[in-house]
Amino acid sequence: QVQLQESGPGLVKPSETLSLTCTVSGYSISSGYYWGWVRQPPGKGLEWIGSIYHSGSTYYNPSLKSRVTISVDTSKNQFSLKLSSVTAADTAVYYCARLKQTSGVAFDIWGQGTMVTVSS
Amino acid sequence: EIVLTQSPGTLSLSPGERATLSCRASQSVSSSYLAWYQQKPGQAPRLLIYGASTRATGIPDRFSGSGSGTDFTLTISRLEPEDFAVYYCQQYGSSLSSFGQGTKLEIK
Repeated sequence: QVQLQESGPGLVKPSETLSLTCTVSGYSISSGYYWGWVRQPPGKGLEWIGSIYHSGSTYYNPSLKSRVTISVDTSKNQFSLKLSSVTAADTAVYYCARLKQTSGVAFDIWGQGTMVTVSS
Repeated sequence: EIVLTQSPGTLSLSPGERATLSCRASQSVSSSYLAWYQQKPGQAPRLLIYGASTRATGIPDRFSGSGSGTDFTLTISRLEPEDFAVYYCQQYGSSLSSFGQGTKLEIK
């Protein structure tokens, strides 16, 4: 079955760039679907960060757009998130997910999430 | 940007009771782009409903979704102990997405 797994540093210093990778197994990213990133600060709700198609088309949350880059590497079956100039407000659990688009649009498969803390 | 407002913030009910959760959008949302998720502590969100009313694979039929335009509802007909969790609605329109702030369903 399709599985997603986030990886990357759990601690990032303020003003630096947060970098995470999502590895997809059980499905070839190049076959289709959009893929996305969602985050959740401790004790708070979900925030959509952005989504990417296998071809590389991207869509970002307007509130984060100036700092976010999402890219895809079909050869490694991975997609990645970079968030620049981080502050403590970017401390959160970061999830990657697959976006289904048949008969309705929704994130149907999620990674387990990875906690990223921004602190010096 | 479409803002989703969920109500109530917290809902206290007993097992066996009926739960009705609301999600109101700041502008009209196509039903195809409205989804509901369940999240339990320490877990990733789980897709319950997509297209406003279609249950995802493996979701029990006590969960149902309805609504259109700016008003959507998630109904749990008879609460089971495992249903007590936080529920989020999400919209995905014009290639941009947003989530509601969540409703916490707690045991009374």
